[in-house]
Formats: sequence, structure tokens, C-alpha cells
Amino acid sequence: DAGVIQSPRHEVTEMGQEVTLRCKPISGHNSLFWYRQTMMRGLELLIYFNNNVPIDDSGMPEDRFSAKMPNASFSTLKIQPSEPRDSAVYFCASTRTRTSGIGEYNEQFFGPGTRLTVL
Amino acid sequence: KQEVTQIPAALSVPEGENLVLNCSFTDSAIYNLQWFRQDPGKGLTSLLLIQSSQREQTSGRLNASLDKSSGRSTLYIAASQPGDSATYLCAVVSGGSYIPTFGRGTSLIVHP
Repeated sequence: DAGVIQSPRHEVTEMGQEVTLRCKPISGHNSLFWYRQTMMRGLELLIYFNNNVPIDDSGMPEDRFSAKMPNASFSTLKIQPSEPRDSAVYFCASTRTRTSGIGEYNEQFFGPGTRLTVL
Repeated sequence: KQEVTQIPAALSVPEGENLVLNCSFTDSAIYNLQWFRQDPGKGLTSLLLIQSSQREQTSGRLNASLDKSSGRSTLYIAASQPGDSATYLCAVVSGGSYIPTFGRGTSLIVHP
């Protein structure tokens, strides 16, 4: 299994430009999460999809941010227009509900992240 | 709302020491708790997952325990090595929401 795949790994852009981050979750996983990590705020949940449907987008900072999941194997996070304060590492993670002898659990797997720098 | 706190924020120890990293959470109605490792500039790697009804999990030199009643989990690292240097994060999935809440992490340096 290739794990969660993100692209690009690094993105440098100028303020005002549109940025699109991409994620391919692990096959068979039914939930997908987008996070942002900065030194100041740590790891923040932006949006969460379950079976391709957005469930909780309360962490999306403002209307400049949007996310889609057109199918089970692909998601995008778009920032338009980008601003310097959007500079961060953006992670995608996927989970699948699994069952053991003592109950259900969700183990989360992260992609390598996209380091975004907005000048 | 679930809140997760990790203490200490940073730790520097000589090689060979046994370590305990702490994670506390405010709502004991959890689904599972997961410990991650993050190397500088990298993503998060899952280390151990403890289900709600479990008390501990072990993998090699790592042992994670869970005490829901007191809202605590500990990650025990035996015989630490320089390669253990990383940031360790715990994530608590609350029952019903299935959304993980992360602590800020403990930054660990093990020096030779």
C-alpha cells in the first residue's frame, strides 16, 4: 500500500494566487481529513469528509478556503486568493473504521504533507 | 469540547534513559487514543493505538497506557536512543464525533 499521497510536496506562490493541494487517501478508507500545522497553532483540523461527504468544515478559516472530494480516491484543498498567513504545512489523513475482538476503532494515517509558502 | 494537553512540551535526555511522556484529556468518553511520532519536516507516523476498553499497548521499546477515569495516557520509551529524537503527539478520538483532537506534542531530544 502506498499510503496517503499528497502533491505537491512543496509550493511557493505569491500573494493573491490560487493554490490547489491534492490528496489520494489509502484505498478502502472511508474518512479523509485536512489539517494545517504551524508553530504558533500546532495541528488544526480544517475539514473532515466521511464517504466523500463533508461532515465538519468548522475549521476552515474563511471563504478563501474550499475543499472537495469528488470520489473516494481524491480530494483537493483550494485557497483562493492566497495570503502570506496561509503559509503552513498542510496534511491530509485518512481513516477506516475497523473492528477488533473488543470493539471498533479508527486508526488515522497521515500523508507527508505539503509545505506552502505564500510570499 | 475535548481538550488534550501534553506535558512536558520539550525534553532532553541522555541516551539510555527510560522516558515517560504524558497526555491528558478532559472528556473521558473516548473512542480510541493514538500516539504519533513526527520527525522534523515530515508527516505523522502512527506508533500505537489504544482502544477505549484497553489499558495498554506495546510495540518494541514503546508502551502506551490508558486510564480513562483520570483522563490520562502515558507513552513509555525504554532505553532511549538518539534515533528516538522527534516530536510525539497524542490524539484522542471522542465517542460520537470520530474527529481526533491533538495535543501540541512533546519535543524529545536524546543525545549520545
